[in-house]
Amino acid sequence: KNQVEQSPQSLIILEGKNCTLQCNYTVSPFSNLRWYKQDTGRGPVSLTIMTFSENTKSNGRYTATLDADTKQSSLHITASQLSDSASYICVVSALVSNFGNEKLTFGTGTRLTIIP
Amino acid sequence: NAGVTQTPKFQVLKTGQSMTLQCAQDMNHNSMYWYRQDPGMGLRLIYYSASEGTTDKGEVPNGYNVSRLNKREFSLRLESAAPSQTSVYFCASRTGGYGYTFGSGTRLTVV
Repeated sequence: KNQVEQSPQSLIILEGKNCTLQCNYTVSPFSNLRWYKQDTGRGPVSLTIMTFSENTKSNGRYTATLDADTKQSSLHITASQLSDSASYICVVSALVSNFGNEKLTFGTGTRLTIIP
Repeated sequence: NAGVTQTPKFQVLKTGQSMTLQCAQDMNHNSMYWYRQDPGMGLRLIYYSASEGTTDKGEVPNGYNVSRLNKREFSLRLESAAPSQTSVYFCASRTGGYGYTFGSGTRLTVV
């Protein structure tokens, strides 16, 4: 069964500090891994997308890494800001013959709170 | 550019009532999706439409029906709502590539 597990479930850090969120997955056959940011009451917004051959991808202060051998990914946030308070969701895509040729498995997210 | 627009944003239904959740995208995307998000669980696919005129079941289709009215619009219908359908519903769209664009969601409570 395809699964995506994220840790920690929640995290509180001071504004300006860095943090790293973790994602472990068992999804096959692997196509790509995405990180999304979901603000409270809003839909998920894409931060990064990485394919099998990519081991790092940045988007401003967000840097995602992927180790396809160990099936692990991390999202590092640098110099956190109050606006970074949100849930961060790891999503792994599998190539399939149905579901429009791609099945997404969503993690349950890490709830990040930035305090002043 | 509005992206993906969902209506309504909030809804309370009594058990057994019916309703239709509306979704429209203005990005000329081919594929559209309906997901539900429940506490402690990742988003799960209810139905999808790979292109105009086609619809297919996702992981959790029971109790739902969909209509791809045209390329822009993809609606989700609950014929006889049940408390287990209390959830936040997200519509998404994409065209080829990897990127999905999500709407802001509909928070549905069935009492």
